[in-house]
Amino acid sequence: GAVVSQHPSWVICKSGTSVKIECRSLDFQATTMFWYRQFPKQSLMLMATSNEGSKATYEQGVEKDKFLINHASLTLSTLTVTSAHPEDSSFYICSALLAGGHEQYFGPGTRLTVT
Amino acid sequence: KQEVTQIPAALSVPEGENLVLNCSFTDSAIYNLQWFRQDPGKGLTSLLLIQSSQREQTSGRLNASLDKSSGRSTLYIAASQPGDSATYLCAVPRGAGNKLTFGGGTRVLVKP
Repeated sequence: GAVVSQHPSWVICKSGTSVKIECRSLDFQATTMFWYRQFPKQSLMLMATSNEGSKATYEQGVEKDKFLINHASLTLSTLTVTSAHPEDSSFYICSALLAGGHEQYFGPGTRLTVT
Repeated sequence: KQEVTQIPAALSVPEGENLVLNCSFTDSAIYNLQWFRQDPGKGLTSLLLIQSSQREQTSGRLNASLDKSSGRSTLYIAASQPGDSATYLCAVPRGAGNKLTFGGGTRVLVKP
């Protein structure tokens, strides 16, 4: 139980284009999902908190107009990287919070490469 | 601001040795502490979650201790195996919420 999936697992895009990454909780409902970014050999940095039915809250220094988050249902959150640049190349990981709980379940990550 | 540190950053041991991984945090007012495993290019797998009221938590060969007053947690892995090779991360929530602050991780290599 408590499985989280991400799609795609990897994506290569050209500079200036937009990329959408999906995060799904497969067997539970998640009113809250989190998006993290991880650069090579570094730890996870929280980017934003995605709340079902409301606007996402972003961490300091994260551009909300560049990283668009939509949490339209209790099992799906999407992260869209708009006008991607090479410096946006990173590993993006989402997690889902079990409703009423404190434990986060993590997705397998999405490797984004911007050329 | 909570800061989480993991030392050492990397560790290499022969198979069969016990592993000791350290995690320290600056704000002792935590609700819980979680240990994760991350394989290269993969997501995180939760290993153990210790509530603030607990001193330790065990799962198979894994044992995690928590000393809130000193701001430390230790993950012990008994009789290490090559399959234990991975990066191990500890994380604590910020305040009463669920946003996690992660340590930098310890990369473990268990040599056959």
